[in-house]
Amino acid sequence: DTAVSQTPKYLVTQMGNDKSIKCEQNLGHDTMYWYKQDSKKFLKIMFSYNNKELIINETVPNRFSPKSPDKAHLNLHINSLELGDSAVYFCASSQEAGGLTGELFFGEGSRLTVL
Amino acid sequence: AQSVTQLGSHVSVSEGALVLLRCNYSSSVPPYLFWYVQYPNQGLQLLLKYTTGATLVKGINGFEAEFKKSETSFHLTKPSAHMSDAAEYFCAVSESGGYQKVTFGTGTKLQVIP
Repeated sequence: DTAVSQTPKYLVTQMGNDKSIKCEQNLGHDTMYWYKQDSKKFLKIMFSYNNKELIINETVPNRFSPKSPDKAHLNLHINSLELGDSAVYFCASSQEAGGLTGELFFGEGSRLTVL
Repeated sequence: AQSVTQLGSHVSVSEGALVLLRCNYSSSVPPYLFWYVQYPNQGLQLLLKYTTGATLVKGINGFEAEFKKSETSFHLTKPSAHMSDAAEYFCAVSESGGYQKVTFGTGTKLQVIP
């Protein structure tokens, strides 16, 4: 069983469209994250949820809206897609926020291409 | 605020040679330090981590790293490179206490030459 799974793995869409990426973890972790990796491989945190509560919200356009229906799921909805949104989006989870382990478990990524 | 600097965006080594990937960090509180590896078209996976205690930490696939507080460094080494080690390596830091925000370095691509 995949620990952190994201769908879709690839997404190609036109500018101005709205799209969603879904993430599920079966590790029983309390905290989930969205990271964005750009074409230069730079990895930047976007959001973090702890037990469905938003705890980290970096400087991200409000076109990006995370939603956590329960602690095992964290979805990312993007409105009015722009060319600069093209990137690989990674979902991750960890055992606890501010925990001692500090280990993040990553999904395989969702490659978004905006044309 | 915490930050990570990885020296060298590309490192090439011959198969069987020593691997040394450099990482320096900045943190206002005792840091937690990590090395992650990313293989092509995959997510990141943890190689090793330092939280407290022994400053030399061993990870998977024969990698190890040493936390040197005086040098604010956490360099990654492996005595003998294998072809399968070719990947992107990321150093990361998080600050102990509070909500965990992990900050990643810009990555070092390791090429292993046969």
